[in-house]
Amino acid sequence: KQEVTQIPAALSVPEGENLVLNCSFTDSAIYNLQWFRQDPGKGLTSLLLIQSSQREQTSGRLNASLDKSSGRSTLYIAASQPGDSATYLCAAHSLSSGSARQLTFGSGTQLTVLP
Amino acid sequence: DTEVTQTPKHLVMGMTNKKSLKCEQHMGHRAMYWYKQKAKKPPELMFVYSYEKLSINESVPSRFSPECPNSSLLNLHLHALQPEDSALYLCASSQGTDQPQHFGDGTRLSIL
Repeated sequence: KQEVTQIPAALSVPEGENLVLNCSFTDSAIYNLQWFRQDPGKGLTSLLLIQSSQREQTSGRLNASLDKSSGRSTLYIAASQPGDSATYLCAAHSLSSGSARQLTFGSGTQLTVLP
Repeated sequence: DTEVTQTPKHLVMGMTNKKSLKCEQHMGHRAMYWYKQKAKKPPELMFVYSYEKLSINESVPSRFSPECPNSSLLNLHLHALQPEDSALYLCASSQGTDQPQHFGDGTRLSIL
Protein backbone atom coordinates (compact mmCIF):
# COMPACT_ATOMS: atom_id res chain seq x y z
CA LYS A 1 0.00 0.00 0.00
CA GLN A 2 1.38 3.41 -1.02
CA GLU A 3 2.22 5.82 1.80
CA VAL A 4 3.20 9.44 1.26
CA THR A 5 4.98 11.59 3.85
CA GLN A 6 5.65 15.31 3.77
CA ILE A 7 8.26 17.14 5.82
CA PRO A 8 8.05 19.62 7.43
CA ALA A 9 4.43 19.77 8.55
CA ALA A 10 4.68 23.55 8.87
CA LEU A 11 7.17 26.14 7.67
CA SER A 12 7.41 29.87 8.25
CA VAL A 13 9.83 31.99 6.20
CA PRO A 14 10.42 35.68 5.55
CA GLU A 15 9.40 37.07 2.19
CA GLY A 16 11.97 36.68 -0.57
CA GLU A 17 13.48 33.47 0.72
CA ASN A 18 13.91 30.38 -1.46
CA LEU A 19 12.51 27.22 0.11
CA VAL A 20 12.17 23.48 -0.44
CA LEU A 21 9.26 21.25 0.49
CA ASN A 22 9.87 17.52 0.74
CA CYS A 23 7.71 14.54 -0.18
CA SER A 24 8.56 10.86 0.11
CA PHE A 25 6.63 7.78 -1.04
CA THR A 26 7.06 4.12 -0.21
CA ASP A 27 6.12 2.44 -3.51
CA SER A 28 8.32 3.60 -6.39
CA ALA A 29 5.97 2.09 -9.01
CA ILE A 30 4.18 5.37 -9.60
CA TYR A 31 2.64 6.74 -12.80
CA ASN A 32 3.18 10.33 -11.83
CA LEU A 33 3.48 12.66 -8.87
CA GLN A 34 1.39 15.78 -8.49
CA TRP A 35 1.87 18.86 -6.31
CA PHE A 36 -1.20 20.80 -5.20
CA ARG A 37 -1.86 24.00 -3.33
CA GLN A 38 -4.82 24.38 -0.95
CA ASP A 39 -5.97 27.64 0.54
CA PRO A 40 -8.03 27.51 3.77
CA GLY A 41 -11.54 26.15 3.17
CA LYS A 42 -10.89 25.77 -0.56
CA GLY A 43 -10.33 22.96 -3.02
CA LEU A 44 -7.02 21.85 -4.46
CA THR A 45 -5.20 23.70 -7.22
CA SER A 46 -2.80 21.60 -9.28
CA LEU A 47 0.65 23.20 -9.45
CA LEU A 48 2.88 20.69 -11.20
CA LEU A 49 2.68 17.11 -12.41
CA ILE A 50 5.78 15.03 -13.03
CA GLN A 51 5.42 11.88 -15.09
CA SER A 52 7.32 8.84 -13.86
CA SER A 53 9.74 9.15 -16.81
CA GLN A 54 10.58 12.78 -15.99
CA ARG A 55 13.05 14.22 -13.50
CA GLU A 56 11.59 17.67 -13.06
CA GLN A 57 8.96 20.19 -14.07
CA THR A 58 9.01 23.97 -13.86
CA SER A 59 6.29 26.59 -13.76
CA GLY A 60 7.26 30.16 -13.03
CA ARG A 61 8.89 30.32 -9.60
CA LEU A 62 8.09 26.66 -8.91
CA ASN A 63 10.29 23.69 -9.70
CA ALA A 64 9.41 20.12 -8.80
CA SER A 65 11.84 17.22 -8.99
CA LEU A 66 11.28 13.49 -8.86
CA ASP A 67 13.66 10.68 -7.90
CA LYS A 68 11.71 7.46 -8.24
CA SER A 69 14.54 5.20 -7.13
CA SER A 70 14.79 6.93 -3.75
CA GLY A 71 11.05 7.58 -3.48
CA ARG A 72 11.41 11.34 -3.17
CA SER A 73 10.10 14.54 -4.68
CA THR A 74 10.84 18.14 -3.83
CA LEU A 75 9.01 21.37 -4.57
CA TYR A 76 11.30 24.39 -4.80
CA ILE A 77 9.75 27.84 -4.47
CA ALA A 78 11.96 30.75 -5.48
CA ALA A 79 11.66 34.26 -4.08
CA SER A 80 8.69 33.44 -1.85
CA GLN A 81 5.84 35.93 -1.49
CA PRO A 82 3.09 36.31 1.14
CA GLY A 83 0.61 35.13 -1.50
CA ASP A 84 2.39 31.77 -1.51
CA SER A 85 1.05 31.11 2.00
CA ALA A 86 -1.08 27.96 1.77
CA THR A 87 -0.93 24.23 2.41
CA TYR A 88 1.07 22.30 -0.19
CA LEU A 89 0.14 18.67 -0.82
CA CYS A 90 1.94 16.08 -2.86
CA ALA A 91 0.14 13.06 -4.23
CA ALA A 92 1.53 9.88 -5.76
CA HIS A 93 -0.49 8.31 -8.55
CA SER A 94 -0.12 4.54 -8.35
CA LEU A 95 -2.00 1.28 -8.37
CA SER A 96 -4.16 0.74 -5.35
CA SER A 97 -5.12 -2.73 -4.19
CA GLY A 98 -6.45 -4.62 -7.15
CA SER A 99 -6.04 -2.95 -10.53
CA ALA A 100 -7.39 0.54 -9.87
CA ARG A 101 -5.20 3.64 -10.06
CA GLN A 102 -5.56 6.33 -7.45
CA LEU A 103 -3.91 9.32 -5.85
CA THR A 104 -2.41 8.91 -2.39
CA PHE A 105 -1.91 12.23 -0.65
CA GLY A 106 0.63 13.33 1.92
CA SER A 107 -0.55 15.27 4.97
CA GLY A 108 0.74 18.53 3.53
CA THR A 109 3.14 21.31 4.50
CA GLN A 110 1.52 24.47 5.81
CA LEU A 111 3.60 27.37 4.49
CA THR A 112 3.50 30.88 5.89
CA VAL A 113 5.48 33.61 4.14
CA LEU A 114 5.90 36.64 6.39
CA PRO A 115 5.93 40.11 4.83
CA ASP B 1 -12.48 30.01 -10.52
CA THR B 2 -12.30 26.28 -11.08
CA GLU B 3 -13.57 24.26 -14.02
CA VAL B 4 -15.17 21.75 -11.67
CA THR B 5 -18.26 23.26 -10.06
CA GLN B 6 -19.64 21.96 -6.79
CA THR B 7 -22.95 22.91 -5.20
CA PRO B 8 -23.87 23.81 -2.59
CA LYS B 9 -20.76 25.46 -1.12
CA HIS B 10 -22.05 24.92 2.42
CA LEU B 11 -24.62 22.50 3.79
CA VAL B 12 -25.95 22.04 7.30
CA MET B 13 -28.21 19.08 7.88
CA GLY B 14 -29.67 17.02 10.66
CA MET B 15 -28.93 13.34 11.06
CA THR B 16 -32.34 12.34 9.71
CA ASN B 17 -32.25 14.54 6.61
CA LYS B 18 -31.68 13.47 3.03
CA LYS B 19 -29.62 15.78 0.83
CA SER B 20 -27.45 15.61 -2.25
CA LEU B 21 -24.14 17.13 -3.27
CA LYS B 22 -23.65 17.99 -6.92
CA CYS B 23 -20.54 18.19 -9.08
CA GLU B 24 -20.36 19.29 -12.70
CA GLN B 25 -17.58 19.58 -15.28
CA HIS B 26 -17.65 20.44 -18.97
CA MET B 27 -14.08 19.58 -19.89
CA GLY B 28 -15.03 16.28 -21.49
CA HIS B 29 -13.39 14.34 -18.69
CA ARG B 30 -14.48 10.71 -18.39
CA ALA B 31 -13.30 10.05 -14.82
CA MET B 32 -14.85 11.70 -11.77
CA TYR B 33 -14.06 11.34 -8.08
CA TRP B 34 -15.42 12.06 -4.62
CA TYR B 35 -13.01 12.76 -1.76
CA LYS B 36 -13.63 13.49 1.91
CA GLN B 37 -11.29 15.84 3.76
CA LYS B 38 -11.29 16.44 7.51
CA ALA B 39 -9.65 19.53 8.98
CA LYS B 40 -5.84 19.53 8.67
CA LYS B 41 -5.89 16.11 7.02
CA PRO B 42 -5.28 15.07 3.41
CA PRO B 43 -8.18 14.17 1.13
CA GLU B 44 -9.36 10.57 1.33
CA LEU B 45 -10.73 8.90 -1.76
CA MET B 46 -14.34 7.73 -1.51
CA PHE B 47 -15.50 6.84 -5.03
CA VAL B 48 -14.21 6.80 -8.59
CA TYR B 49 -16.36 6.75 -11.71
CA SER B 50 -14.81 5.93 -15.06
CA TYR B 51 -17.00 6.26 -18.15
CA GLU B 52 -20.01 6.64 -15.84
CA LYS B 53 -19.34 3.30 -14.15
CA LEU B 54 -18.32 2.98 -10.53
CA SER B 55 -14.79 1.60 -10.53
CA ILE B 56 -13.65 2.23 -6.95
CA ASN B 57 -15.63 2.26 -3.72
CA GLU B 58 -13.24 2.66 -0.82
CA SER B 59 -15.39 0.86 1.76
CA VAL B 60 -17.57 3.90 2.26
CA PRO B 61 -20.67 3.46 4.50
CA SER B 62 -23.95 2.99 2.64
CA ARG B 63 -25.30 6.28 4.00
CA PHE B 64 -23.22 7.80 1.16
CA SER B 65 -24.61 6.87 -2.25
CA PRO B 66 -22.89 8.11 -5.43
CA GLU B 67 -24.57 8.55 -8.77
CA CYS B 68 -23.18 9.48 -12.19
CA PRO B 69 -26.18 10.30 -14.44
CA ASN B 70 -23.97 11.37 -17.36
CA SER B 71 -20.35 12.09 -18.17
CA SER B 72 -20.56 15.70 -16.92
CA LEU B 73 -22.40 15.21 -13.67
CA LEU B 74 -21.63 13.45 -10.40
CA ASN B 75 -23.92 13.39 -7.38
CA LEU B 76 -23.41 12.22 -3.82
CA HIS B 77 -26.66 11.36 -2.03
CA LEU B 78 -26.58 11.63 1.76
CA HIS B 79 -28.92 9.96 4.22
CA ALA B 80 -28.82 9.40 7.97
CA LEU B 81 -25.36 10.91 8.36
CA GLN B 82 -23.44 11.02 11.63
CA PRO B 83 -21.69 14.02 13.22
CA GLU B 84 -18.32 12.50 12.30
CA ASP B 85 -19.30 12.86 8.62
CA SER B 86 -18.87 16.62 8.92
CA ALA B 87 -16.04 17.48 6.51
CA LEU B 88 -15.14 19.15 3.22
CA TYR B 89 -16.32 16.99 0.31
CA LEU B 90 -14.25 17.46 -2.81
CA CYS B 91 -15.08 16.45 -6.34
CA ALA B 92 -12.43 16.00 -9.01
CA SER B 93 -12.32 15.01 -12.65
CA SER B 94 -9.69 13.87 -15.15
CA GLN B 95 -9.54 12.82 -18.77
CA GLY B 96 -8.73 9.29 -17.70
CA THR B 97 -7.83 7.65 -14.42
CA ASP B 98 -4.13 8.06 -15.25
CA GLN B 99 -4.39 11.78 -16.04
CA PRO B 100 -4.06 14.86 -13.76
CA GLN B 101 -7.07 15.50 -11.58
CA HIS B 102 -8.83 18.87 -11.43
CA PHE B 103 -10.59 19.69 -8.19
CA GLY B 104 -13.62 21.75 -7.33
CA ASP B 105 -13.79 24.09 -4.33
CA GLY B 106 -15.71 21.55 -2.29
CA THR B 107 -18.88 21.46 -0.22
CA ARG B 108 -18.45 22.17 3.48
CA LEU B 109 -20.85 19.76 5.21
CA SER B 110 -21.90 20.08 8.85
CA ILE B 111 -24.05 17.44 10.53
CA LEU B 112 -25.97 18.60 13.58
